[in-house]
Amino acid sequence: SQKIEQNSEALNIQEGKTATLTCNYTNYSPAYLQWYRQDPGRGPVFLLLIRENEKEKRKERLKVTFDTTLKQSLFHITASQPADSATYLCALVDSSASKIIFGSGTRLSIRP
Amino acid sequence: ETGVTQTPRHLVMGMTNKKSLKCEQHLGHNAMYWYKQSAKKPLELMFVYSLEERVENNSVPSRFSPECPNSSHLFLHLHTLQPEDSALYLCASSQDLLLGLAGEETQYFGPGTRLLVL
Repeated sequence: SQKIEQNSEALNIQEGKTATLTCNYTNYSPAYLQWYRQDPGRGPVFLLLIRENEKEKRKERLKVTFDTTLKQSLFHITASQPADSATYLCALVDSSASKIIFGSGTRLSIRP
Repeated sequence: ETGVTQTPRHLVMGMTNKKSLKCEQHLGHNAMYWYKQSAKKPLELMFVYSLEERVENNSVPSRFSPECPNSSHLFLHLHTLQPEDSALYLCASSQDLLLGLAGEETQYFGPGTRLLVL
């Protein structure tokens, strides 16, 4: 069956450390994968996009990797800050079905 | 705030009521989407419109009826809902469809309407 999973429902780390979030998928053919941030009571906000033929993308303190062999994307926040606390969603756009599938999200908490 | 607005932000309705959710995007985008977000569940894509034509309907019950009168506005008409329909309803837009000419698209989400069905 097809599924997309974000392995941790919640992640708590110390300020200044690197946060690493995981997104795994099975039985999809991704054209690209995206990461979004969602704060309570708000809609998701786009952060980064990575294509199926790309290994890594960076934007300021954010880094995304994509391994189509492992069927996994990792999302890293370096030098984490309390303001980075939010829920992070991965979303896969499937090339065969032209549809988007979201993971259930990881709630990240950065403690001072 | 993004260029996508939604009204109302909160809605409480009985199972026999009829109500409508409104979404407006000020970004000049061609594609618009309705999503449902329930607690502890992933975002579920409900409807997709491109240039005012519905291009996807993901097995959504008929008590949800979308309408797209022009490329800037999207409505979701609600009729005889069930308590399990209580959720956050999110609208989003993108320049074109997710696998359109550009090959990739970013979606811009509105703040959502928090719906409670009693």
